[in-house]
Amino acid sequence: QTVVTQEPSFSVSPGGTVTLTCGLNSGSVSTSHYPSWYQQTPGQAPRTLIYNTNTRSSGVPDRFSGSILGNKAALTITGAQADDECDYYCVLYMGSAIWVFGGGTKLTVL
Amino acid sequence: QVQLVQSGAEVKKPGSSVKVSCKASGGTFNTYTITWVRQAPGQGLEWMGRIIPILDITNYARKFQGRVTITADKSTTTAYMELSSLRSEDTAVYFCARIYCSGNACHFDSWGQGTLVTVSS
Repeated sequence: QTVVTQEPSFSVSPGGTVTLTCGLNSGSVSTSHYPSWYQQTPGQAPRTLIYNTNTRSSGVPDRFSGSILGNKAALTITGAQADDECDYYCVLYMGSAIWVFGGGTKLTVL
Repeated sequence: QVQLVQSGAEVKKPGSSVKVSCKASGGTFNTYTITWVRQAPGQGLEWMGRIIPILDITNYARKFQGRVTITADKSTTTAYMELSSLRSEDTAVYFCARIYCSGNACHFDSWGQGTLVTVSS
Protein backbone atom coordinates (compact mmCIF):
# COMPACT_ATOMS: atom_id res chain seq x y z
CA GLN A 1 0.00 0.00 0.00
CA THR A 2 1.45 3.32 -1.11
CA VAL A 3 1.45 5.96 1.60
CA VAL A 4 2.46 9.54 0.89
CA THR A 5 3.81 11.14 4.02
CA GLN A 6 3.65 14.75 5.15
CA GLU A 7 4.32 16.42 8.46
CA PRO A 8 0.94 16.62 10.26
CA SER A 9 1.70 20.11 11.48
CA PHE A 10 4.33 22.80 11.27
CA SER A 11 4.86 26.22 12.77
CA VAL A 12 6.58 29.24 11.30
CA SER A 13 7.07 32.77 12.52
CA PRO A 14 5.74 35.63 10.44
CA GLY A 15 8.41 36.52 7.89
CA GLY A 16 10.16 33.22 8.42
CA THR A 17 10.91 30.38 6.04
CA VAL A 18 9.42 26.92 6.27
CA THR A 19 9.90 23.79 4.18
CA LEU A 20 7.16 21.18 4.09
CA THR A 21 8.02 17.76 2.74
CA CYS A 22 6.27 14.97 0.88
CA GLY A 23 7.70 11.48 1.02
CA LEU A 24 6.88 7.86 0.30
CA ASN A 25 6.60 5.05 2.82
CA SER A 26 8.69 2.96 0.46
CA GLY A 27 11.15 4.53 -1.91
CA SER A 28 12.12 8.03 -2.91
CA VAL A 29 10.13 10.79 -4.47
CA SER A 30 11.52 11.93 -7.81
CA THR A 31 10.50 14.30 -10.57
CA SER A 32 8.88 11.29 -12.25
CA HIS A 33 6.17 11.46 -9.60
CA TYR A 34 5.38 14.97 -10.92
CA PRO A 35 4.73 16.25 -7.40
CA SER A 36 2.16 18.99 -7.03
CA TRP A 37 1.12 21.07 -4.04
CA TYR A 38 -2.27 22.44 -3.04
CA GLN A 39 -3.31 24.98 -0.45
CA GLN A 40 -6.65 24.68 1.31
CA THR A 41 -8.38 27.00 3.74
CA PRO A 42 -11.26 25.60 5.80
CA GLY A 43 -14.48 25.18 3.86
CA GLN A 44 -12.87 25.99 0.54
CA ALA A 45 -11.78 23.99 -2.47
CA PRO A 46 -8.05 23.43 -2.79
CA ARG A 47 -5.95 25.92 -4.70
CA THR A 48 -3.10 24.76 -6.91
CA LEU A 49 0.24 26.18 -5.82
CA ILE A 50 2.99 24.16 -7.48
CA TYR A 51 3.00 21.48 -10.16
CA ASN A 52 5.55 19.36 -11.95
CA THR A 53 7.84 19.64 -8.92
CA ASN A 54 8.66 23.33 -9.17
CA THR A 55 6.31 25.21 -11.52
CA ARG A 56 4.19 27.84 -9.82
CA SER A 57 0.56 28.00 -10.82
CA SER A 58 -0.73 31.24 -12.29
CA GLY A 59 -1.04 33.98 -9.69
CA VAL A 60 0.95 32.19 -7.00
CA PRO A 61 3.54 34.50 -5.40
CA ASP A 62 7.19 33.61 -5.88
CA ARG A 63 7.68 33.12 -2.15
CA PHE A 64 6.22 29.65 -2.77
CA SER A 65 8.67 27.28 -4.39
CA GLY A 66 8.89 23.56 -5.00
CA SER A 67 11.83 21.23 -5.23
CA ILE A 68 13.17 17.75 -4.55
CA LEU A 69 15.18 17.65 -1.34
CA GLY A 70 16.93 14.39 -0.79
CA ASN A 71 14.33 11.68 -1.27
CA LYS A 72 11.29 13.91 -0.82
CA ALA A 73 9.39 16.62 -2.61
CA ALA A 74 9.44 19.92 -0.80
CA LEU A 75 7.38 23.09 -0.64
CA THR A 76 9.23 26.10 0.70
CA ILE A 77 7.49 29.26 1.82
CA THR A 78 9.76 32.23 2.34
CA GLY A 79 8.56 35.33 4.15
CA ALA A 80 5.56 33.55 5.67
CA GLN A 81 2.45 35.66 6.08
CA ALA A 82 -0.55 35.29 8.33
CA ASP A 83 -2.79 34.20 5.50
CA ASP A 84 -0.44 31.33 4.70
CA GLU A 85 -1.90 29.65 7.77
CA CYS A 86 -3.92 26.79 6.31
CA ASP A 87 -3.53 23.20 5.12
CA TYR A 88 -1.09 22.07 2.46
CA TYR A 89 -1.36 18.85 0.48
CA CYS A 90 1.00 17.19 -1.92
CA VAL A 91 -0.03 14.76 -4.63
CA LEU A 92 2.21 12.21 -6.31
CA TYR A 93 1.62 10.44 -9.59
CA MET A 94 2.16 6.72 -9.06
CA GLY A 95 1.89 5.63 -12.69
CA SER A 96 -0.96 3.82 -14.43
CA ALA A 97 -3.20 6.89 -14.04
CA ILE A 98 -3.18 6.68 -10.24
CA TRP A 99 -2.56 9.65 -7.96
CA VAL A 100 -2.13 9.62 -4.20
CA PHE A 101 -2.52 12.54 -1.80
CA GLY A 102 -0.39 13.05 1.24
CA GLY A 103 -2.14 13.38 4.56
CA GLY A 104 -1.67 17.15 4.58
CA THR A 105 0.25 19.57 6.76
CA LYS A 106 -1.49 22.11 8.94
CA LEU A 107 0.67 25.23 8.93
CA THR A 108 0.50 27.68 11.80
CA VAL A 109 1.98 31.15 11.45
CA LEU A 110 2.74 32.60 14.85
CA GLN B 1 -10.78 29.80 -17.92
CA VAL B 2 -12.19 26.45 -16.90
CA GLN B 3 -15.09 26.53 -14.46
CA LEU B 4 -16.48 23.49 -12.72
CA VAL B 5 -19.85 23.76 -10.99
CA GLN B 6 -21.06 20.87 -8.88
CA SER B 7 -24.51 19.78 -7.81
CA GLY B 8 -25.91 20.53 -4.40
CA ALA B 9 -25.64 18.80 -1.05
CA GLU B 10 -27.17 15.35 -0.59
CA VAL B 11 -28.37 13.34 2.37
CA LYS B 12 -28.46 9.60 1.82
CA LYS B 13 -29.35 6.49 3.79
CA PRO B 14 -26.75 3.80 4.43
CA GLY B 15 -26.73 1.24 1.65
CA SER B 16 -28.02 3.65 -0.97
CA SER B 17 -26.15 5.39 -3.79
CA VAL B 18 -25.36 8.99 -4.58
CA LYS B 19 -24.57 10.62 -7.91
CA VAL B 20 -22.80 13.97 -7.93
CA SER B 21 -22.47 16.07 -11.06
CA CYS B 22 -19.77 18.44 -12.21
CA LYS B 23 -20.61 20.76 -15.10
CA ALA B 24 -17.66 22.18 -17.01
CA SER B 25 -17.53 25.42 -18.94
CA GLY B 26 -14.70 27.23 -20.66
CA GLY B 27 -12.10 25.41 -22.65
CA THR B 28 -12.91 22.31 -24.68
CA PHE B 29 -14.52 19.48 -22.74
CA ASN B 30 -13.25 16.91 -25.20
CA THR B 31 -9.71 17.74 -24.17
CA TYR B 32 -10.41 17.41 -20.44
CA THR B 33 -9.62 14.76 -17.93
CA ILE B 34 -11.84 15.03 -14.84
CA THR B 35 -10.92 13.63 -11.48
CA TRP B 36 -12.82 13.21 -8.21
CA VAL B 37 -11.38 13.82 -4.77
CA ARG B 38 -13.13 13.58 -1.42
CA GLN B 39 -12.56 14.99 2.03
CA ALA B 40 -14.19 13.55 5.13
CA PRO B 41 -14.89 15.99 7.98
CA GLY B 42 -11.63 17.11 9.55
CA GLN B 43 -9.63 14.78 7.31
CA GLY B 44 -7.34 15.09 4.32
CA LEU B 45 -7.95 14.91 0.61
CA GLU B 46 -8.37 11.48 -0.97
CA TRP B 47 -8.09 10.72 -4.70
CA MET B 48 -10.93 8.56 -6.00
CA GLY B 49 -10.59 8.24 -9.75
CA ARG B 50 -10.60 9.96 -13.10
CA ILE B 51 -12.21 9.89 -16.52
CA ILE B 52 -11.08 10.94 -19.97
CA PRO B 53 -14.48 11.80 -21.47
CA ILE B 54 -13.50 11.70 -25.11
CA LEU B 55 -12.17 8.17 -24.73
CA ASP B 56 -14.51 7.05 -21.96
CA ILE B 57 -11.49 5.70 -20.10
CA THR B 58 -11.72 5.51 -16.33
CA ASN B 59 -9.24 4.68 -13.59
CA TYR B 60 -10.10 4.27 -9.92
CA ALA B 61 -8.23 4.17 -6.66
CA ARG B 62 -8.07 0.60 -5.40
CA LYS B 63 -10.00 1.57 -2.28
CA PHE B 64 -13.06 2.53 -4.32
CA GLN B 65 -12.92 -0.14 -7.04
CA GLY B 66 -16.31 -1.75 -7.43
CA ARG B 67 -18.13 0.98 -5.54
CA VAL B 68 -17.47 4.10 -7.58
CA THR B 69 -18.43 4.83 -11.16
CA ILE B 70 -17.27 7.96 -12.95
CA THR B 71 -19.01 8.87 -16.17
CA ALA B 72 -19.24 11.86 -18.47
CA ASP B 73 -21.83 13.25 -20.84
CA LYS B 74 -20.02 15.06 -23.63
CA SER B 75 -23.24 16.62 -24.92
CA THR B 76 -23.76 18.52 -21.67
CA THR B 77 -20.06 18.78 -20.70
CA THR B 78 -20.88 17.20 -17.37
CA ALA B 79 -19.01 14.58 -15.41
CA TYR B 80 -20.60 12.39 -12.77
CA MET B 81 -19.39 10.43 -9.78
CA GLU B 82 -21.66 7.72 -8.42
CA LEU B 83 -20.80 6.00 -5.16
CA SER B 84 -22.82 2.97 -4.10
CA SER B 85 -23.33 0.96 -0.91
CA LEU B 86 -22.95 4.12 1.10
CA ARG B 87 -21.85 3.94 4.71
CA SER B 88 -21.37 6.59 7.35
CA GLU B 89 -17.65 6.79 6.56
CA ASP B 90 -18.56 8.10 3.10
CA THR B 91 -19.83 11.33 4.63
CA ALA B 92 -17.54 13.85 3.00
CA VAL B 93 -17.21 16.79 0.65
CA TYR B 94 -16.68 15.51 -2.87
CA PHE B 95 -14.69 17.69 -5.28
CA CYS B 96 -14.26 17.40 -9.01
CA ALA B 97 -11.18 18.86 -10.64
CA ARG B 98 -9.70 19.07 -14.09
CA ILE B 99 -6.45 17.28 -14.67
CA TYR B 100 -4.23 19.30 -16.94
CA CYS B 101 -1.29 17.54 -18.55
CA SER B 102 1.76 18.84 -20.31
CA GLY B 103 3.33 15.70 -21.68
CA ASN B 104 3.44 13.24 -18.79
CA ALA B 105 3.34 16.00 -16.16
CA CYS B 106 -0.23 16.27 -14.93
CA HIS B 107 -1.81 18.21 -12.11
CA PHE B 108 -5.23 19.25 -10.86
CA ASP B 109 -5.59 22.80 -12.12
CA SER B 110 -9.25 23.80 -11.68
CA TRP B 111 -11.59 22.71 -8.93
CA GLY B 112 -15.31 22.54 -8.38
CA GLN B 113 -16.76 24.09 -5.27
CA GLY B 114 -17.39 20.76 -3.57
CA THR B 115 -20.55 18.81 -2.76
CA LEU B 116 -21.34 17.66 0.77
CA VAL B 117 -22.71 14.14 0.92
CA THR B 118 -24.06 13.11 4.30
CA VAL B 119 -24.80 9.45 4.96
CA SER B 120 -27.13 9.02 7.88
CA SER B 121 -29.99 6.79 8.90
